Amino acid sequence: GNSVTQMEGPVTLSEEAFLTINCTYTATGYPSLFWYVQYPGEGLQLLLKATKADDKGSNKGFEATYRKETTSFHLEKGSVQVSDSAVYFCALRPGNTGKLIFGQGTTLQVKP
Amino acid sequence: NAGVTQTPKFQVLKTGQSMTLQCAQDMNHEYMSWYRQDPGMGLRLIHYSVGAGITDQGEVPNGYNVSRSTTEDFPLRLLSAAPSQTSVYFCASSGAPGARSYGYTFGSGTRLTVV
Repeated sequence: GNSVTQMEGPVTLSEEAFLTINCTYTATGYPSLFWYVQYPGEGLQLLLKATKADDKGSNKGFEATYRKETTSFHLEKGSVQVSDSAVYFCALRPGNTGKLIFGQGTTLQVKP
Repeated sequence: NAGVTQTPKFQVLKTGQSMTLQCAQDMNHEYMSWYRQDPGMGLRLIHYSVGAGITDQGEVPNGYNVSRSTTEDFPLRLLSAAPSQTSVYFCASSGAPGARSYGYTFGSGTRLTVV
């Protein structure tokens, strides 16, 4: 089956620290992979995506590389800001289906 | 662009009542989905559609119905509300594989409480 596993949170960092949020997946075929961000009281926003192995998605200083050999899509940012505090969701979309399967979400708290 | 519009934003229902959560998108997206978000459980897929007239069940479809008569609209019907359906509901739409819009755009959500 298809599933996504994220590291448990909350993750608490100081401003300008390096961020890694781990995400691994199980899927049949060749899924597309996504990171979404949810700020308090809001809906989800697409942060970045990768549609095939070795693709690197990037946006707003965040990056993630689609690693087929390790079935991973870890989210990284070199220097976090207080405004990055949010819940981050890793997700996969199997093949050409309409389904989007989410991980549990990881809460990031950045302190000044 | 309005994107994905959900109404209402908040709703309180009594057990046994029925209602329809509305979802509309103006991006001409083929794919649309409904999710519910519960604390500690992430987002779970209720129903989804790959085009007008085509729908399918997701992970937690029981107690919900959908239909897709137009590309723009994808309403979610609660047939007989139960307290277990208290949740935040999100509608989302996406373009086809290979399109720049291939990544779901989410609405702002409907917070539903069933008492």
